[in-house]
Amino acid sequence: GNSVTQMEGPVTLSEEAFLTINCTYTATGYPSLFWYVQYPGEGLQLLLKATKADDKGSNKGFEATYRKETTSFHLEKGSVQVSDSAVYFCALDTSGTYKYIFGTGTRLKVLA
Amino acid sequence: GAGVSQSPRYKVAKRGQDVALRCDPISGHVSLFWYQQALGQGPEFLTYFQNEAQLDKSGLPSDRFFAERPEGSVSTLKIQRTQQEDSAVYLCASSSRQGRNYGYTFGSGTRLTVV
Repeated sequence: GNSVTQMEGPVTLSEEAFLTINCTYTATGYPSLFWYVQYPGEGLQLLLKATKADDKGSNKGFEATYRKETTSFHLEKGSVQVSDSAVYFCALDTSGTYKYIFGTGTRLKVLA
Repeated sequence: GAGVSQSPRYKVAKRGQDVALRCDPISGHVSLFWYQQALGQGPEFLTYFQNEAQLDKSGLPSDRFFAERPEGSVSTLKIQRTQQEDSAVYLCASSSRQGRNYGYTFGSGTRLTVV
């Protein structure tokens, strides 16, 4: 079946460090891939997306590339800030439908 | 409104009690979704509306769960005879169109605790 696997957190980094949060998926067909972010006390917000192989999604300094050969969609940022502290969720939409399958989330904590 | 609004933010229910959770989507959004998020887990799909039509309720865990959207805007998720395993955050999301490739706007959720 379809699934998303994320690296376990929490991930603790110093400000300006490089961030990678790993995400791999299993899916039939050609899903779209998403990263959502959840700040404390708030709802999930769409951070970036990619709809086909080799697409790169980017937003607010974050990037992720849809790698079909490795079934991965790793989230990266070159220099994190304290304000990036949040929970990050990788998700896919099962091909041809509107249902999302989410990973379990990775908590990021950035220290000043 | 500017975002998806859910109420109440927190609900404590005694086992066996009925609860109703409300979602106000962004005005004009035709698609509305409910997800359930257990502690430490990612959200899981419950049900989907397009306007007032409930097109998919395959994720509802039992017949104690019921959702409605009678006028195509506000939606209510009702849980009858709550059980401890119903404790979770219930998230509502909306989209201006069928959301594939576009992403959804989520509310802050209702945290339900069944004691």
